[in-house]
Amino acid sequence: EVQLVESGGGLVQPGGSLRLSCAASGFTFSSYEMDWVRQAPGKGLEWLSNIRSSGSATFYADSVKGRFTISRDNARNSLHLQMDSLRAEDTAVYYCARARVAALGTGAFDIWGQGTMVTVSS
Amino acid sequence: EIVLTQSPGTLSLSPGERVTLSCRASQSIAGYLAWYQQKPGQAPRLLIYDASNRATGVPARFSGSGSGTDFTLTISSLEPEDFVLYYCQQRSEWPITFGQGTRLEIK
Repeated sequence: EVQLVESGGGLVQPGGSLRLSCAASGFTFSSYEMDWVRQAPGKGLEWLSNIRSSGSATFYADSVKGRFTISRDNARNSLHLQMDSLRAEDTAVYYCARARVAALGTGAFDIWGQGTMVTVSS
Repeated sequence: EIVLTQSPGTLSLSPGERVTLSCRASQSIAGYLAWYQQKPGQAPRLLIYDASNRATGVPARFSGSGSGTDFTLTISSLEPEDFVLYYCQQRSEWPITFGQGTRLEIK
């Protein structure tokens, strides 16, 4: 079964750090670009970051650029999001998502994890 | 960044009705638009990619169309489980952006 499972969420103080992980199974992880998307409570979806299949390139939303770092370990089928300098407005459910292979550019998100909640509060 | 505007914000309909949801981009995105469905407490689910291609396992009552700046998602006959949230998303350029969502509610 194709699956993504996030972990690492929790309660953190403003200014603190957290590292999210996403374990992939059921597909050839190294062949797919991967993304992080978040959803604040009661709000819409916000794309955060993308990483190429080989890890050779990364992209970020302006809201997290310089604070968050996406990475992957293809040998361990895992995706990570290092989140530093966290703010109250980073409180959200964080999803990892697989980008389907596209003929041009990055693909739509065809597989999603169940999400992990991050709460930034003192 | 490309802004996606979904309309309307909420639609009240009855099961069996046909509905068309709209998504308008602030600039041309060719056909690089996807639609997602999100049920309460669940992750989004891909319905349509590249404007008109149904994702694996998506029922035939869902269809997408459009190109450039104007896109639609049509549900031909609403089932009770379709009364949830729908988002559009563009992948034409970075940053990837989502619309604000359209909620379908039972009349």
